[in-house]
Amino acid sequence: ETGVTQTPRHLVMGMTNKKSLKCEQHLGHNAMYWYKQSAKKPLELMFVYSLEERVENNSVPSRFSPECPNSSHLFLHLHTLQPEDSALYLCASSRLSGATNEKLFFGSGTQLSVL
Amino acid sequence: SQQGEEDPQALSIQEGENATMNCSYKTSINNLQWYRQNSGRGLVHLILIRSNEREKHSGRLRVTLDTSKKSSSLLITASRAADTASYFCAVFSEYGNKLVFGAGTILRVKS
Repeated sequence: ETGVTQTPRHLVMGMTNKKSLKCEQHLGHNAMYWYKQSAKKPLELMFVYSLEERVENNSVPSRFSPECPNSSHLFLHLHTLQPEDSALYLCASSRLSGATNEKLFFGSGTQLSVL
Repeated sequence: SQQGEEDPQALSIQEGENATMNCSYKTSINNLQWYRQNSGRGLVHLILIRSNEREKHSGRLRVTLDTSKKSSSLLITASRAADTASYFCAVFSEYGNKLVFGAGTILRVKS
């Protein structure tokens, strides 16, 4: 186990649904990340939170809404998604954000299918 | 783009053979990292090599870095079926503040 837990592991939703992805880290880290992994494409960084403050938003559509209530928890709220949003969504954490020589600890991901 | 690009895209070898994967990038970097991802799972950090290092070892893993050619290689010796996974390089550029990943190499080790 990496110390980063994501739920649910699998999610199927319709385009009109609202759902949330949850991530929890037990490592005492101060930075948390959301990545999107689509087939045969590099990982796309979506959001970065450092000490519960959003420090990066990589031009992500507003139908994805992150929330970081404390340094251990991160959510990704989803609404009116499109089929092309189907992907593996990965949460990661690190001790610090933006510091060199930091390595990321990843959760197992949520496999999302949008019908 | 400053992201790493892995080569080959896919590699299939027999158990016991060595596997070599390559990564190229475009900008000056502070460090380069390699990660492994088993099917449908998250990424696991394998090794980090700093820009002033040329080679690093960890168990059966050997990583080299050539900053003049902006390239790195990951060698897995005496491969096992359990090494079957996707391998990604990621670069932390001198000018950015985030880790940027390549598309990965899919390694299949046949027993």
